[in-house]
Amino acid sequence: SQKIEQNSEALNIQEGKTATLTCNYTNYSPAYLQWYRQDPGRGPVFLLLIRENEKEKRKERLKVTFDTTLKQSLFHITASQPADSATYLCALYAGNNRKLIWGLGTSLAVNP
Amino acid sequence: DTGVSQDPRHKITKRGQNVTFRCDPISEHNRLYWYRQTLGQGPEFLTYFQNEAQLEKSRLLSDRFSAERPKGSFSTLEIQRTEQGDSAMYLCASSPGLAGVGQFFGPGTRLTVL
Repeated sequence: SQKIEQNSEALNIQEGKTATLTCNYTNYSPAYLQWYRQDPGRGPVFLLLIRENEKEKRKERLKVTFDTTLKQSLFHITASQPADSATYLCALYAGNNRKLIWGLGTSLAVNP
Repeated sequence: DTGVSQDPRHKITKRGQNVTFRCDPISEHNRLYWYRQTLGQGPEFLTYFQNEAQLEKSRLLSDRFSAERPKGSFSTLEIQRTEQGDSAMYLCASSPGLAGVGQFFGPGTRLTVL
């Protein structure tokens, strides 16, 4: 069956450290993979998109990698801050490129 | 505010009642999506519009759910004969349909069916 898996356990890190979140998928060949941030009671906020032919994408303190052989994307937040505490969702386009399939999200807590 | 807006933000209803939610996308976005999200889950795709055409509807969606996007602008999602299992956050998102651009979400409508 087709699945997207993210770290099920919450990630707790110290302020200033690098947070690394994992997104693994099976039985897909996505053209794009996206990362979103979601705060409690709010809709997701788009962060980064990476294409299948891109290995890495950066935006300020964020970095995303995409390994289509391993079927895995890693999401890094460098110099993390307490304000980075949120749930981070990965999503990928499936087949017809019209809809996103979502992971369950990983909760990140950055402690001061 | 030029983001995606949704109305109402909260809705409490009794089982069996009909409810309707509205979404106003970013004006230049031609794609509009509806999702449902429950606690601890990612958004679950419900339906998708390109302009006024409803191009895809989840097979998970029962006949009690219907969505429209007249004139390709705002959209409505109606749930008829609500059930307790319909309680969730209903999210609307829009996108310009350009490569490399993600979806922009509204704040959601939280539905509670008693």
